[in-house]
Amino acid sequence: AQSVAQPEDQVNVAEGNPLTVKCTYSVSGNPYLFWYVQYPNRGLQFLLKYITGDNLVKGSYGFEAEFNKSQTSFHLKKPSALVSDSALYFCAAYGGATNKLIFGTGTLLAVQP
Amino acid sequence: NAGVMQNPRHLVRRRGQEARLRCSPVKGHSHVYWYRQLPEEGLKFMVYLQKENIIDESGMPKERFSAEFPKEGPSILRIQQVVRGDSAAYFCASSLDYIKYFGPGTRLTVL
Repeated sequence: AQSVAQPEDQVNVAEGNPLTVKCTYSVSGNPYLFWYVQYPNRGLQFLLKYITGDNLVKGSYGFEAEFNKSQTSFHLKKPSALVSDSALYFCAAYGGATNKLIFGTGTLLAVQP
Repeated sequence: NAGVMQNPRHLVRRRGQEARLRCSPVKGHSHVYWYRQLPEEGLKFMVYLQKENIIDESGMPKERFSAEFPKEGPSILRIQQVVRGDSAAYFCASSLDYIKYFGPGTRLTVL
C-alpha cells in the first residue's frame, strides 16, 4: 500500500535556528512529492514540489526540501526559523497511475521566540 | 484572484439531518477533489470528480455520502442522516499541473 509517513507529531525549534520536518514515502514508480502548510482554521497552502530534476527543491517563504531516493525521504528544511512559521505541515505524494494525493498525518511546527 | 471557494465555512447539524457542502474550484479548473480531516489526523481522500463525472470515489463511505459536480454550479458533497462521527473538516481542492489548490474548508459539527 502506498503511504506517506511523518514520524514527528511536533517539532519545537527556537527562532533563528534551522528547522527540519521529516517525511518518508512508500509509493510505486517515480514519486511526485509535495509539502503543504496549514494555519489554524485555514485550508492547505502549497509550499513546494518535487517532480524531477534537482534533488534540492526551493519553495515559498524560504523553505526547501531535499529528495533522497535511496532513503525514500523528502525532508522539509529552513535555515532560520521564524515564529510565523508555526503551523501544521503536511507531506504528500502521488505514486503510480493515480490522481490520489496521499498525505502524511502532519507535523506541528512550534517556533519559540 | 479567486481561489477555491467553499461554503459554508461552519455547519452545525443534529444527528439525522442532512449536510450539504459546496465547493467552487479555481476558475478554469475542471477537476475537483474532496478530502476529510479528522482531529489529530491527516487528510483522507474521499472522491475525485470531473464535470458531470465521478472519476474515483474509493475514499467515500458506502452509505450516506454522495458527491456531484454538475455542468453548471459548484460541486456538492452531501451527507445524509449525519452522525457524530461525521464531525470533521471537509476540504475541497482543484488542480493544475499536479498541484492541488485547497479551499478554506467546511467545519461540520454534528450535535
